[in-house]
Amino acid sequence: EVQLVQSGAEVKKPGESLRISCKGSGYSFTKYWITWVRQLPGKGLEWMAKIDASDSYKTFSPSFEGHVTVSVDKSITTAYLQLSSLKPSDTAIYYCARRLAVTGPDDFWGQGTLVTVSS
Amino acid sequence: QSVLTQPPSVSGAPGQRVTISCTGSGSNIGAGSDVHWYQQFPGTAPRLLIYGNNNRPSGVPDRFSGSKSATSASLAITGLQAEDEADYYCQSYDNSLSGWGVFGGGTKVTVL
Repeated sequence: EVQLVQSGAEVKKPGESLRISCKGSGYSFTKYWITWVRQLPGKGLEWMAKIDASDSYKTFSPSFEGHVTVSVDKSITTAYLQLSSLKPSDTAIYYCARRLAVTGPDDFWGQGTLVTVSS
Repeated sequence: QSVLTQPPSVSGAPGQRVTISCTGSGSNIGAGSDVHWYQQFPGTAPRLLIYGNNNRPSGVPDRFSGSKSATSASLAITGLQAEDEADYYCQSYDNSLSGWGVFGGGTKVTVL
């Protein structure tokens, strides 16, 4: 069974950093890309970035480039999203998803990680 | 402001047909990029509903269908059911070398 299991909810203070994990199982991890998507409270989906799990080639949305870091550790079939210098406006649910092709659909999604940034 | 434009809401009675439009531009849908559609219920992760403009993954009922033309795409739900009440998002890609993804703003489907 294909699964993407994300790390748990986080509460952070402004200025802190955070790394969210997304562990893939039940499929050949390095054959797929991992996409990261943000959903602000009560709002729509925002495409952030994708990373090729085989060679770590990355693509970023212009809205997020320079503000987030994505990486993978093939040895433990896990992808990461790192957010730094957190602001209250980073409060959101962050999802990972897998895709087979560069512009293909995201066919399996993680359960989401709620990040709350508050002083 | 989302790159792809969807109506904020559509509604219909059970059994009716509703459509959701997704309007892009020459740099995404109009450049030949595929459109995918996702369904999201409150408090849950999105689910792939339609891929490659008009293909349904296994397990998606055939009352859901997609189409694409020029710079826009549509999702149709025929024989609307109460369980279809959810948010729906279209997704495509910028046709630049990097090919970053873009979403529509989402459409809330209400079953009357």
